Amino acid sequence: QSVLSQPPSASGTPGQRVTMSCSGSTSNIGSNYGYWYQRLPGTAPKLLIFRNSQRPSGVPDRVSASKSGTSASLAISGLRSEDEGDYYCASWDDSLSGWVFGGGTKLTVL
Amino acid sequence: QVQLVQSGAEVKKPGASVKVSCKASGYTFTSYGINWVRQAPGQGLEWMGWISTYTGRTNYARNVQGRVTMTTDTSTGAAYMELRSLRSDDTAVYYCARDQVATTVMRADNAFDAWGQGTLVTVSS
Repeated sequence: QSVLSQPPSASGTPGQRVTMSCSGSTSNIGSNYGYWYQRLPGTAPKLLIFRNSQRPSGVPDRVSASKSGTSASLAISGLRSEDEGDYYCASWDDSLSGWVFGGGTKLTVL
Repeated sequence: QVQLVQSGAEVKKPGASVKVSCKASGYTFTSYGINWVRQAPGQGLEWMGWISTYTGRTNYARNVQGRVTMTTDTSTGAAYMELRSLRSDDTAVYYCARDQVATTVMRADNAFDAWGQGTLVTVSS
């Protein structure tokens, strides 16, 4: 299965803050940057976070991320219905010499 | 604006080959590498490899090495991914994705900042 581990689901109500975790190892997140991609229903993935905590232009500041050791986390505050979708973490893996992803966390806005 | 447009869905029999195209527009094609990523039904994303659109140099993931070939046509601004000896577990949506930072070499800190719409490849007898 996926090299990076993510919980399969997360949920929150509008306006709440929700966090999602991503667990890796010393060969990936532990020694390289963490990245996050968002895939909304029926669309292609979109870059949400790069280099652990940087937001591309157009991504609102209610989206934040961090990395600690071999884990990364993504937080979305002020939750909105349009945030509902799948969120994938990614990192470079030195042992595999390639990019690895998590299995994704499905975010449901209740 | 940056756009990657992929070819349409394919249905193939086991053992056959498939070639997916990715037409780029809105930027200088040869300045940014192209990655290929796939997602099987109910699974996560899986990186397949990278190609330098400037040099043609490739870097393939170990699990598809030997069966995959990535190429580009700089005259038309298109990238191609061919997968051979198809198996049922190759059934997936295949995406092309551009490097975030302009470079001619593969970098471990280069995110994928633009994605194609995806191409569904179904392998079934």
